[in-house]
Amino acid sequence: GPKVLQIPSHQIIDMGQMVTLNCDPVSNHLYFYWYKQILGQQMEFLVNFYNGKVMEKSKLFKDQFSVERPDGSYFTLKIQPTALEDSAVYFCASSQTNYEQYFGPGTRLTVL
Amino acid sequence: AQSVTQPDARVTVSEGASLQLRCKYSYSGTPYLFWYVQYQRQGLQLLLKYYSGDPVVQGVNGFEAEFSKSDSSFHLRKASVHWSDSAVYFCAASTMATGGNNKLTFGQGTVLSVIP
Repeated sequence: GPKVLQIPSHQIIDMGQMVTLNCDPVSNHLYFYWYKQILGQQMEFLVNFYNGKVMEKSKLFKDQFSVERPDGSYFTLKIQPTALEDSAVYFCASSQTNYEQYFGPGTRLTVL
Repeated sequence: AQSVTQPDARVTVSEGASLQLRCKYSYSGTPYLFWYVQYQRQGLQLLLKYYSGDPVVQGVNGFEAEFSKSDSSFHLRKASVHWSDSAVYFCAASTMATGGNNKLTFGQGTVLSVIP
């Protein structure tokens, strides 16, 4: 089936640094999402993105977070600056319509 | 608030046995419902989905799920499990909203271990 790729699979950085998580969505998909899963907890919605704009963001999507997809390339999640509580696995998803989302394998972010 | 609950954190069954993984939802109206499976080091894969109509939906690899409005449930079933079914299973729901406002709400996940 359609595959979503995420780069890198694991990222370790020092608190206060900037990090960019990259997502290569399914080629003809129009809607893009980021979810966050802290170890041992539920996966939670962060943000969704369509037509170059954020459609909805949750309270977890702090001011230090931003998303973009310049020129149809990677869909990115940038955190600047990072905090200890940002350590989690971040999942990207994309969908052609509003409903069936395809997920990547996740990026494990460790903030020291 | 909208929520999805999977009451069983871990389920262990013997190969060839039947399986039920439970999922309860709390939503205003009827949500769209999904079951995803996550094999180790892979992304979530969609097993099946329910939008409307027949409450029993068939998915891949012999999985099925039954929607119950009265019970607010969407339990996943399989008649005979295989060791390769060992994975983490997530129940999820979303509203029938349009305009891109379609976030998924996930349950906590159930770790399924199939004993050969």
